[in-house]
Amino acid sequence: AAGVIQSPRHLIKEKRETATLKCYPIPRHDTVYWYQQGPGQDPQFLISFYEKMQSDKGSIPDRFSAQQFSDYHSELNMSSLELGDSALYFCASSSSIDRELFFGEGSRLTVL
Amino acid sequence: AQSVAQPEDQVNVAEGNPLTVKCTYSVSGNPYLFWYVQYPNRGLQFLLKYITGDNLVKGSYGFEAEFNKSQTSFHLKKPSALVSDSALYFCAVRDPMGRRALTFGSGTRLQVQP
Repeated sequence: AAGVIQSPRHLIKEKRETATLKCYPIPRHDTVYWYQQGPGQDPQFLISFYEKMQSDKGSIPDRFSAQQFSDYHSELNMSSLELGDSALYFCASSSSIDRELFFGEGSRLTVL
Repeated sequence: AQSVAQPEDQVNVAEGNPLTVKCTYSVSGNPYLFWYVQYPNRGLQFLLKYITGDNLVKGSYGFEAEFNKSQTSFHLKKPSALVSDSALYFCAVRDPMGRRALTFGSGTRLQVQP
Protein backbone atom coordinates (compact mmCIF):
# COMPACT_ATOMS: atom_id res chain seq x y z
CA ALA A 1 0.00 0.00 0.00
CA ALA A 2 1.16 3.52 -0.74
CA GLY A 3 2.56 5.44 2.20
CA VAL A 4 3.41 9.04 2.91
CA ILE A 5 6.45 10.07 0.89
CA GLN A 6 8.84 12.72 2.12
CA SER A 7 11.78 14.28 0.36
CA PRO A 8 14.60 14.81 0.79
CA ARG A 9 15.38 12.23 3.48
CA HIS A 10 18.47 14.11 4.55
CA LEU A 11 19.40 17.76 4.16
CA ILE A 12 22.40 19.72 5.36
CA LYS A 13 22.26 23.51 5.39
CA GLU A 14 24.21 26.35 6.95
CA LYS A 15 22.87 29.04 9.27
CA ARG A 16 20.76 31.68 7.59
CA GLU A 17 20.12 29.50 4.55
CA THR A 18 16.69 28.32 3.40
CA ALA A 19 15.30 24.81 3.03
CA THR A 20 12.21 23.27 1.51
CA LEU A 21 10.77 19.91 2.49
CA LYS A 22 8.19 18.09 0.42
CA CYS A 23 5.43 15.69 1.41
CA TYR A 24 3.20 13.50 -0.73
CA PRO A 25 0.26 12.17 1.28
CA ILE A 26 -1.45 8.84 0.90
CA PRO A 27 -3.87 9.00 -2.06
CA ARG A 28 -7.37 10.19 -1.11
CA HIS A 29 -6.19 11.56 2.24
CA ASP A 30 -7.51 15.08 2.68
CA THR A 31 -5.39 16.34 5.59
CA VAL A 32 -1.65 16.85 5.88
CA TYR A 33 0.25 17.57 9.08
CA TRP A 34 3.82 18.71 9.75
CA TYR A 35 5.68 17.77 12.93
CA GLN A 36 9.15 18.61 14.21
CA GLN A 37 11.04 16.14 16.39
CA GLY A 38 14.23 17.34 18.03
CA PRO A 39 16.84 14.90 19.39
CA GLY A 40 15.32 12.90 22.22
CA GLN A 41 12.08 14.86 22.00
CA ASP A 42 8.50 14.00 21.23
CA PRO A 43 7.05 15.20 17.92
CA GLN A 44 5.81 18.78 18.09
CA PHE A 45 2.93 19.81 15.87
CA LEU A 46 3.74 22.65 13.47
CA ILE A 47 0.85 23.10 11.07
CA SER A 48 -1.86 21.22 9.17
CA PHE A 49 -3.90 21.60 6.00
CA TYR A 50 -7.34 20.28 5.18
CA GLU A 51 -8.42 20.33 1.55
CA LYS A 52 -5.58 22.74 0.73
CA MET A 53 -6.56 25.25 3.43
CA GLN A 54 -4.65 25.74 6.67
CA SER A 55 -6.70 23.99 9.31
CA ASP A 56 -4.61 24.22 12.46
CA LYS A 57 -1.47 25.92 13.63
CA GLY A 58 0.91 24.76 16.31
CA SER A 59 4.37 25.87 17.31
CA ILE A 60 5.55 26.84 13.85
CA PRO A 61 8.11 29.68 13.88
CA ASP A 62 7.39 32.80 11.84
CA ARG A 63 10.45 31.92 9.73
CA PHE A 64 8.64 28.83 8.50
CA SER A 65 5.73 28.65 6.11
CA ALA A 66 3.85 25.84 4.46
CA GLN A 67 1.22 25.24 1.86
CA GLN A 68 -0.74 22.44 0.26
CA PHE A 69 -1.06 22.33 -3.50
CA SER A 70 -3.86 21.28 -5.84
CA ASP A 71 -2.43 17.74 -6.08
CA TYR A 72 -2.52 17.60 -2.23
CA HIS A 73 1.23 17.51 -1.80
CA SER A 74 2.59 19.91 0.77
CA GLU A 75 5.81 21.86 1.18
CA LEU A 76 7.39 23.25 4.33
CA ASN A 77 9.60 26.25 3.66
CA MET A 78 12.16 27.23 6.29
CA SER A 79 14.15 30.45 6.06
CA SER A 80 16.93 32.05 8.10
CA LEU A 81 17.81 28.63 9.43
CA GLU A 82 19.17 28.39 12.96
CA LEU A 83 21.18 25.66 14.64
CA GLY A 84 18.12 24.80 16.72
CA ASP A 85 16.15 23.96 13.60
CA SER A 86 18.17 20.76 13.28
CA ALA A 87 15.59 18.02 13.72
CA LEU A 88 13.56 15.32 12.08
CA TYR A 89 10.61 16.76 10.24
CA PHE A 90 7.68 14.45 9.79
CA CYS A 91 4.76 14.75 7.50
CA ALA A 92 1.58 12.80 8.18
CA SER A 93 -1.72 12.43 6.39
CA SER A 94 -5.17 11.28 7.36
CA SER A 95 -8.64 10.96 5.93
CA SER A 96 -11.91 12.15 7.37
CA ILE A 97 -12.92 8.52 7.92
CA ASP A 98 -9.84 7.16 9.67
CA ARG A 99 -8.83 9.17 12.70
CA GLU A 100 -5.24 7.95 12.84
CA LEU A 101 -2.37 9.77 11.21
CA PHE A 102 -0.01 7.94 8.90
CA PHE A 103 3.54 9.23 9.06
CA GLY A 104 6.28 9.44 6.50
CA GLU A 105 9.84 8.35 7.28
CA GLY A 106 10.83 11.94 7.95
CA SER A 107 13.35 14.43 6.61
CA ARG A 108 16.41 14.95 8.74
CA LEU A 109 17.60 18.55 8.62
CA THR A 110 21.05 19.38 9.93
CA VAL A 111 21.97 23.05 10.24
CA LEU A 112 25.69 23.74 10.55
CA ALA B 1 -5.85 22.16 26.08
CA GLN B 2 -5.29 18.49 25.45
CA SER B 3 -2.23 16.74 26.88
CA VAL B 4 -0.73 13.32 27.39
CA ALA B 5 1.61 12.11 30.11
CA GLN B 6 3.92 9.14 29.90
CA PRO B 7 5.42 8.87 33.40
CA GLU B 8 8.18 6.42 32.53
CA ASP B 9 11.16 7.41 30.40
CA GLN B 10 12.17 3.77 30.08
CA VAL B 11 10.65 0.37 30.74
CA ASN B 12 12.80 -2.74 30.98
CA VAL B 13 11.32 -6.21 30.66
CA ALA B 14 12.63 -9.69 30.00
CA GLU B 15 11.66 -11.45 26.80
CA GLY B 16 8.54 -13.55 27.28
CA ASN B 17 7.28 -11.47 30.20
CA PRO B 18 4.23 -9.22 29.97
CA LEU B 19 4.85 -5.53 29.39
CA THR B 20 2.94 -2.37 30.24
CA VAL B 21 3.68 1.15 29.04
CA LYS B 22 1.69 3.77 30.90
CA CYS B 23 -0.21 6.74 29.51
CA THR B 24 -2.64 9.21 31.04
CA TYR B 25 -4.46 11.94 29.18
CA SER B 26 -6.26 15.21 29.70
CA VAL B 27 -8.84 16.41 27.20
CA SER B 28 -12.27 17.95 27.28
CA GLY B 29 -14.95 15.54 26.17
CA ASN B 30 -14.42 12.02 24.93
CA PRO B 31 -10.90 11.54 23.65
CA TYR B 32 -9.48 9.87 20.61
CA LEU B 33 -6.39 7.96 21.86
CA PHE B 34 -3.53 6.41 19.91
CA TRP B 35 -0.30 4.51 20.36
CA TYR B 36 2.60 4.82 17.93
CA VAL B 37 5.97 3.08 17.87
CA GLN B 38 9.20 4.58 16.55
CA TYR B 39 12.34 2.64 15.65
CA PRO B 40 15.67 4.52 15.39
CA ASN B 41 15.73 7.09 12.58
CA ARG B 42 12.33 5.94 11.35
CA GLY B 43 8.87 7.43 11.17
CA LEU B 44 6.10 6.75 13.65
CA GLN B 45 4.13 3.58 13.02
CA PHE B 46 0.51 3.36 14.09
CA LEU B 47 -0.19 0.56 16.60
CA LEU B 48 -3.77 1.03 17.74
CA LYS B 49 -6.49 3.53 18.54
CA TYR B 50 -9.48 4.05 20.80
CA ILE B 51 -12.34 6.06 19.39
CA THR B 52 -15.41 4.54 21.00
CA GLY B 53 -16.80 1.14 21.99
CA ASP B 54 -15.00 -1.66 23.78
CA ASN B 55 -12.48 -0.37 26.32
CA LEU B 56 -9.95 -3.05 25.34
CA VAL B 57 -8.45 -2.29 21.97
CA LYS B 58 -6.31 -4.76 20.04
CA GLY B 59 -3.70 -3.55 17.61
CA SER B 60 -0.70 -4.54 15.57
CA TYR B 61 2.06 -6.97 16.60
CA GLY B 62 0.05 -8.41 19.50
CA PHE B 63 -0.26 -5.12 21.36
CA GLU B 64 -3.43 -4.04 23.13
CA ALA B 65 -4.49 -1.08 25.23
CA GLU B 66 -7.16 -0.54 27.82
CA PHE B 67 -9.12 2.70 27.95
CA ASN B 68 -10.06 3.64 31.51
CA LYS B 69 -12.22 6.75 31.64
CA SER B 70 -12.31 7.08 35.41
CA GLN B 71 -8.53 6.99 35.63
CA THR B 72 -8.05 8.87 32.34
CA SER B 73 -5.55 6.22 31.29
CA PHE B 74 -4.74 4.31 28.13
CA HIS B 75 -1.95 1.89 29.05
CA LEU B 76 -0.30 -0.18 26.32
CA LYS B 77 0.12 -3.88 27.04
CA LYS B 78 1.46 -7.06 25.53
CA PRO B 79 1.21 -10.50 27.14
CA SER B 80 4.64 -11.69 26.02
CA ALA B 81 7.40 -9.28 25.04
CA LEU B 82 9.83 -9.85 22.17
CA VAL B 83 13.34 -8.44 21.81
CA SER B 84 12.15 -6.89 18.54
CA ASP B 85 9.58 -4.85 20.49
CA SER B 86 12.44 -2.70 21.80
CA ALA B 87 11.68 0.79 20.52
CA LEU B 88 10.29 4.19 21.49
CA TYR B 89 6.57 4.26 22.18
CA PHE B 90 4.41 7.36 22.01
CA CYS B 91 0.90 7.82 23.35
CA ALA B 92 -1.15 10.50 21.60
CA VAL B 93 -4.50 12.20 22.04
CA ARG B 94 -6.78 14.07 19.73
CA ASP B 95 -9.66 16.22 20.88
CA PRO B 96 -12.64 15.28 18.69
CA MET B 97 -14.28 18.64 19.38
CA GLY B 98 -11.34 20.82 18.48
CA ARG B 99 -7.87 20.35 17.07
CA ARG B 100 -7.49 17.75 14.40
CA ALA B 101 -3.80 17.22 15.09
CA LEU B 102 -2.41 14.72 17.57
CA THR B 103 -0.67 15.76 20.75
CA PHE B 104 2.06 13.33 21.73
CA GLY B 105 3.41 12.29 25.09
CA SER B 106 7.11 12.47 25.83
CA GLY B 107 7.67 8.87 24.81
CA THR B 108 8.74 5.74 26.68
CA ARG B 109 11.71 3.69 25.61
CA LEU B 110 10.97 -0.04 25.89
CA GLN B 111 13.98 -2.29 26.30
CA VAL B 112 13.32 -6.04 26.09
CA GLN B 113 16.21 -8.15 27.30
CA PRO B 114 16.84 -11.62 25.86
